[in-house]
Amino acid sequence: EPEVTQTPSHQVTQMGQEVILRCVPISNHLYFYWYRQILGQKVEFLVSFYNNEISEKSEIFDDQFSVERPDGSNFTLKIRSTKLEDSAMYFCASSRTNTIYFGEGSWLTVV
Amino acid sequence: AQSVSQHNHHVILSEAASLELGCNYSYGGTVNLFWYVQYPGQHLQLLLKYFSGDPLVKGIKGFEAEFIKSKFSFNLRKPSVQWSDTAEYFCAVTPGTASKLTFGTGTRLQVTL
Repeated sequence: EPEVTQTPSHQVTQMGQEVILRCVPISNHLYFYWYRQILGQKVEFLVSFYNNEISEKSEIFDDQFSVERPDGSNFTLKIRSTKLEDSAMYFCASSRTNTIYFGEGSWLTVV
Repeated sequence: AQSVSQHNHHVILSEAASLELGCNYSYGGTVNLFWYVQYPGQHLQLLLKYFSGDPLVKGIKGFEAEFIKSKFSFNLRKPSVQWSDTAEYFCAVTPGTASKLTFGTGTRLQVTL
């Protein structure tokens, strides 16, 4: 069964550093998403991407965040200058229609 | 904006007990409803989904959920839980095609032997 894959699975970074989280969505999917889950809290929507542009973003997705689809397969989330509160599990997801499939997550720890 | 409420935050059951986890949403229009499960240390996995048709939907691992439109509810059920069902369960809703999911706060299910 096709899967959404994410790298790295875990990254530790110093506050203020830039981080890029990578995702390979399911190949015939058209919609791409990033969600995050701070430890002990609910899963929160960050951004959705369709047709090479952001289709929707949440309040969390401020100027420190950006997304890119640099080629036909990857979908990246960049955090320009990480803060302690960015520590969370970041989930990439993709969909073709109504069902969204999630990757295994990238656990980001900012120290 | 839509919201999802899961009233049970932590549920402890013995093996073979029956399970029902509540989920209520607030949204006036047509919605697509989902239950995801997150086993310890793992990613979110789709348990089941409802788009239209029969309001009783069956998912993987013996789970089912019933959509009751008049109550804005989509409760998850399983007749007999197993220890391996220990996980966090998230109800989620999206208002239409390929829209963002709004998640509930999750219910932690602990099944004891």
